[in-house]
Amino acid sequence: QLQLQESGPGLVKPSETLSLTCTVSGGSISSNNYYWGWIRQPPGKGLEWIGNILYGGNTYYNLSLKSRVTMSVDTSKNQIFLKLSAVTAADTAVYYCVRPGPGVGGGSRFDPWGQGTLVTVSS
Amino acid sequence: QSVLTQPPSASGTPGQRVTISCSGSSSNIGSNTVNWYQQLPGTAPKLLIYSNNQRPSGVPDRFSGSKSGTSASLAISGLQSEDEADYYCAAWDDSLNGSVFGGGTKLTVL
Repeated sequence: QLQLQESGPGLVKPSETLSLTCTVSGGSISSNNYYWGWIRQPPGKGLEWIGNILYGGNTYYNLSLKSRVTMSVDTSKNQIFLKLSAVTAADTAVYYCVRPGPGVGGGSRFDPWGQGTLVTVSS
Repeated sequence: QSVLTQPPSASGTPGQRVTISCSGSSSNIGSNTVNWYQQLPGTAPKLLIYSNNQRPSGVPDRFSGSKSGTSASLAISGLQSEDEADYYCAAWDDSLNGSVFGGGTKLTVL
């Protein structure tokens, strides 16, 4: 059974870079041409797609975040990484690691989801 | 403001049938499939309906989805107290080259 687990600092200072890791178990991130993705949810608000990445490096990013987002993978460790630069309080959210389904760029069918990790941006 | 439009709230009594709408445009719902997610309080979202009307294994057949043109709907029949949750629709958007979500609908079981 595929499982995703997010990890990283729970507190980041404004203007710094948020860095998160998603560790995948129960399957290889380089199998079957699946994309891997990140979604976030500010406290009390809705879901926002951040981006999808294929293990070979092909990426799709939310245009509103594209200038600040970098996603990468380490197939040897079965991990996916998210970096978001120049963060502000508006980037405070629960960040979820997800596996998009089949479709162009990974599509919008996300299953499974990690449990999520809360990142607070504050000095 | 979300690309897909959902009503912020919906409600029903146990046993009732409720529907939640999701409105989009030709670049998202009009040309791609719709997926629905259920988020119970304090938990991560869960895939509820995929490819407009398909249920993942384990999802009761009380939940159903449909799509017509640039709109989609989620229907819940035989409403139960445990259905009280937030529901989100999502679709790929060809113009934005990315996934978009609705703002979410909070379902209350009265």
